[in-house]
Amino acid sequence: AQSVTQLDSQVPVFEEAPVELRCNYSSSVSVYLFWYVQYPNQGLQLLLKYLSGSTLVESINGFEAEFNKSQTSFHLRKPSVHISDTAEYFCAVSRQGGKLIFGQGTELSVKP
Amino acid sequence: DAGVTQSPTHLIKTRGQQVTLRCSPKSGHDTVSWYQQALGQGPQFIFQYYEEEERQRGNFPDRFSGHQFPNYSSELNVNALLLGDSALYLCASSFTGVHTDTQYFGPGTRLTVL
Repeated sequence: AQSVTQLDSQVPVFEEAPVELRCNYSSSVSVYLFWYVQYPNQGLQLLLKYLSGSTLVESINGFEAEFNKSQTSFHLRKPSVHISDTAEYFCAVSRQGGKLIFGQGTELSVKP
Repeated sequence: DAGVTQSPTHLIKTRGQQVTLRCSPKSGHDTVSWYQQALGQGPQFIFQYYEEEERQRGNFPDRFSGHQFPNYSSELNVNALLLGDSALYLCASSFTGVHTDTQYFGPGTRLTVL
């Protein structure tokens, strides 16, 4: 069975500081990995994904995540956060064509 | 290009009632998945529809049922509502194919059961 663990439920950080949101997964087969962001009272927006190829994936708004197969991790990083990055972030795993299994979420709070 | 749309946005029901939620997938997508997100939790998979049939199902009781139409839109039905069914219900669409089945989510329907 697959599972996802987000190691931090809340991450407070000051504006322009770097941030890392940690995600570990367990699976006995190859998986696809995703990060979604959820702003208050909204649905989920895809931030970035790893399907195959390069293990470092980037989003258009400065986030990046690295797939580490040996450590079964897919941590999300940003070198300098903005107030507008305040949101809930969800890591998820799936097999091809299958259901998404989500972690419990990490609340990123960026303070001025 | 319209994204995934859901209706209604909010809904209030009482225990024992039945509810139907609707979802229109993103243009070009043929697969619809439904998720339940309780307050403060990550989304939980309910089921997935492809070619008008339920392809996968999560750990939800039979009170939860669904349907997919020929135009790929979908409905989620919940019978005999319980207080614990109060949640944000999210629909996600995707295109079934090799390395192309990334799921895109709609804004959700907030269901409150009183």
